Amino acid sequence: QSALTQPASVSGSPGQSITISCTGTSSDVGSYNLVSWYQQHPGKAPKLMIYEGSKRPSGVSNRFSGSKSGNTASLTISGLQAEDEADYYCCSYAGSSTLVFGGGTELTVL
Amino acid sequence: QVQLQESGPGLVKPSETLSLTCTVSGGSINSYYWSWTRQPPGKGLEWIGYIYHSGSTKYNPSLKSRVTISADTSKNQFSLKLSSVTAADTAVYYCARVGSSLVRGAIIQNWFDPWGQGTLVTVSS
Repeated sequence: QSALTQPASVSGSPGQSITISCTGTSSDVGSYNLVSWYQQHPGKAPKLMIYEGSKRPSGVSNRFSGSKSGNTASLTISGLQAEDEADYYCCSYAGSSTLVFGGGTELTVL
Repeated sequence: QVQLQESGPGLVKPSETLSLTCTVSGGSINSYYWSWTRQPPGKGLEWIGYIYHSGSTKYNPSLKSRVTISADTSKNQFSLKLSSVTAADTAVYYCARVGSSLVRGAIIQNWFDPWGQGTLVTVSS
């Protein structure tokens, strides 16, 4: 069970859109549409932003969207805002009742 | 609104057992699954395991030999024990409720919400 692969960092200017990728294998991301995404500000607990690949919990801005193609899931943030600057983690079901996280991506709003 | 709060020693000696408790308020643990995840300083998240109130558990294979998660429904709490700790176990430990999805007729636990604030546990002599 290896960690999912995310870019270490991404950046964008206010108002722009950015996409964070999360690459797994045919045993996890590729087999199930069960990827969740979490936002984590410094010193804070993670916050659920997307579950089941593309569903948004109540209260999460519709600027956040999720998708999947093959073994790669993606989180897109549109209309980038300063408050979006944070670390983002993906997590996937990996079979046999196990879960695996990505290494995390630091988002910088320029 | 469900809230979770971790508690336990902030310092554990090498080779000893780390013990943490998560207290759930605003809802009963007699439904849902409940989990532990950790984050070493400056690093990413690592899923540790989860438990159902009945006592059914699932663990990360890489930690399975050292982890025990248990639940106390009378106190609305669940707990984590990690044995034979080393400096590599130094981390912020989070508890969270686990969300489930229906996939091809099976219910699969696969997302976390809400989370506790986390508690830092340092392993050092």
